[in-house]
Amino acid sequence: QQQVKQSPQSLIVQKGGISIINCAYENTAFDYFPWYQQFPGKGPALLIAIRPDVSEKKEGRFTISFNKSAKQFSLHIMDSQPGDSATYFCAASGATSGGSQGNLIFGKGTKLSVKP
Amino acid sequence: DSGVTQTPKHLITATGQRVTLRCSPRSGDLSVYWYQQSLDQGLQFLIQYYNGEERAKGNILERFSAQQFPDLHSELNLSSLELGDSALYFCASSAPSLGTDYGYTFGSGTRLTVV
Repeated sequence: QQQVKQSPQSLIVQKGGISIINCAYENTAFDYFPWYQQFPGKGPALLIAIRPDVSEKKEGRFTISFNKSAKQFSLHIMDSQPGDSATYFCAASGATSGGSQGNLIFGKGTKLSVKP
Repeated sequence: DSGVTQTPKHLITATGQRVTLRCSPRSGDLSVYWYQQSLDQGLQFLIQYYNGEERAKGNILERFSAQQFPDLHSELNLSSLELGDSALYFCASSAPSLGTDYGYTFGSGTRLTVV
């Protein structure tokens, strides 16, 4: 119930193409779904996040699509660039009974390579 | 700079030893989370503190412990270290109230190598 399943494990995209990464969750108590970008040796950096009352959120070239009934969400990177080459993690969390935001449950990550 | 400060950046120590990792959260954040990242396990949640109190525990070994101090900085103590404890250890902090879009902010991590 606590798992977040992410696919694919790796992805190769040509420059200018669309990168799509998918995630699925089981716990309906999750209410916050962020995507993180991580470069080697660095900490994960928040890319974009969505709450379940919204079906889509766009920030620049990055879009999250959210399907509450299917318990799935995905990241679309439009016009992918070589600088986007990194590992991307989806995650989910929910509120704790004490009122704070709970811990993030991460997917296993997707290594994206954008070829010039 | 994410606003979350972790020290040291690198640590090399021998098996059986004890180390302390330190984290200062982003200004105003009350929650601190510790994660372990190894190549084959991804980002594994260890423990969460909220305003000085332990709030949630994940897959944290009994040899590991943590605390959050009144000034909200946190320390992760790893003892009786084994080769398998070699990993990146990240600290994250989050905003004090629900409904914000801050998200969780991660530090740059401490790379622990046990030899």
